[in-house]
Amino acid sequence: EAQVTQNPRYLITVTGKKLTVTCSQNMNHEYMSWYRQDPGLGLRQIYYSMNVEVTDKGDVPEGYKVSRKEKRNFPLILESPSPNQTSLYFCASSFAVRGPQHFGDGTRLSIL
Amino acid sequence: KNEVEQSPQNLTAQEGEFITINCSYSVGISALHWLQQHPGGGIVSLFMLSSGKKKHGRLIATINIQEKHSSLHITASHPRDSAVYICAPFNTDKLIFGTGTRLQVFP
Repeated sequence: EAQVTQNPRYLITVTGKKLTVTCSQNMNHEYMSWYRQDPGLGLRQIYYSMNVEVTDKGDVPEGYKVSRKEKRNFPLILESPSPNQTSLYFCASSFAVRGPQHFGDGTRLSIL
Repeated sequence: KNEVEQSPQNLTAQEGEFITINCSYSVGISALHWLQQHPGGGIVSLFMLSSGKKKHGRLIATINIQEKHSSLHITASHPRDSAVYICAPFNTDKLIFGTGTRLQVFP
């Protein structure tokens, strides 16, 4: 089954404790992206990747890191999480930049 | 002013009603996506269109590039259509998301 898998689905943690949200897709898609969704603001892009070893900043990259060492994986790293990063996060992939995006189920992060 | 405006923000309907959700955008685009976000949070891509009209089952999406406007129609609405519908124009190299229209369909 074609899918984008995110883990964990839920996480409550504390300020400053490094965390990684994993994202994996099995569709051989070149384009992958991370979004955060906050009430009243809609989805905003954090980082995206056009292909392996190619990543670029989206609209709200501060406080986040990503890597794309393999085509299927695109982890989101919060080196020193802060409460303003409490949000619902989505990973997505598509065969091309403007193609239909396949979304993961989301990761709800709460940073205390 | 937001680059993408959706209306209405909230919509309540009785089962069987015809639904229209509107999306206006202010930037130049090459395509536009309509997404559906279920109450559980998952997001599904419904349509990608760059001109004219597309139909999938009871869903119809239209776009007028010159007028910078798109509409999503649901015919014979059903309670399982209850969700947030998000318009996302594609500008240059990324999607720009509207804040969504929350639809509730009652039996």
